[in-house]
Amino acid sequence: DTGVSQNPRHKITKRGQNVTFRCDPISEHNRLYWYRQTLGQGPEFLTYFQNEAQLEKSRLLSDRFSAERPKGSFSTLEIQRTEQGDSAMYLCASTSQGGTEAFFGQGTRLTVV
Amino acid sequence: AQSVTQLDSQVPVFEEAPVELRCNYSSSVSVYLFWYVQYPNQGLQLLLKYLSGSTLVESINGFEAEFNKSQTSFHLRKPSVHISDTAEYFCAVSSGGSNYKLTFGKGTLLTVNP
Repeated sequence: DTGVSQNPRHKITKRGQNVTFRCDPISEHNRLYWYRQTLGQGPEFLTYFQNEAQLEKSRLLSDRFSAERPKGSFSTLEIQRTEQGDSAMYLCASTSQGGTEAFFGQGTRLTVV
Repeated sequence: AQSVTQLDSQVPVFEEAPVELRCNYSSSVSVYLFWYVQYPNQGLQLLLKYLSGSTLVESINGFEAEFNKSQTSFHLRKPSVHISDTAEYFCAVSSGGSNYKLTFGKGTLLTVNP
């Protein structure tokens, strides 16, 4: 297993366009998290899945953001009508049931121009 | 609500010098504490964690951190740093339970100079 995988690594989009990111967690991990990291800040929690159920969403996750994990394996994060303020690194992490260590992917860097 | 304060945004040191990266947290419940490291162009990696038991925890590469409940601190230390320790270090807390979501500090950039 190669760890948490995120695609694409980089995305440049024009303001107003929709973008979708994918995260493939470690295969036996049933918990999956999305975080956002802006320049000079630590990662901020966005949302959390246990298997296919989205159990918590941060207030940072506006109605333009939607995340899914349809089969309890990979997850997607979609941003509709992107704004320049959405420019950030989007990080995915996964943990096993009962595990205390979150394993992070390398992130998707989004630039909205 | 939980919060994490990393008091230094940048810490420059010379190789083989000791270093301390400071972290303070606030929480109304018991917490688990973590230090993550991010090397250039890489993802976050767990460096060490405190869950319970001994308040002094160590990593495999010579870092240690001590949980101090009365001072709500979890400072990271290394007695002698190497150039390869140059990275950004993030302190994080979690209240555990069924979620384990992390609340991070803003990070400390450790730069080790020859």
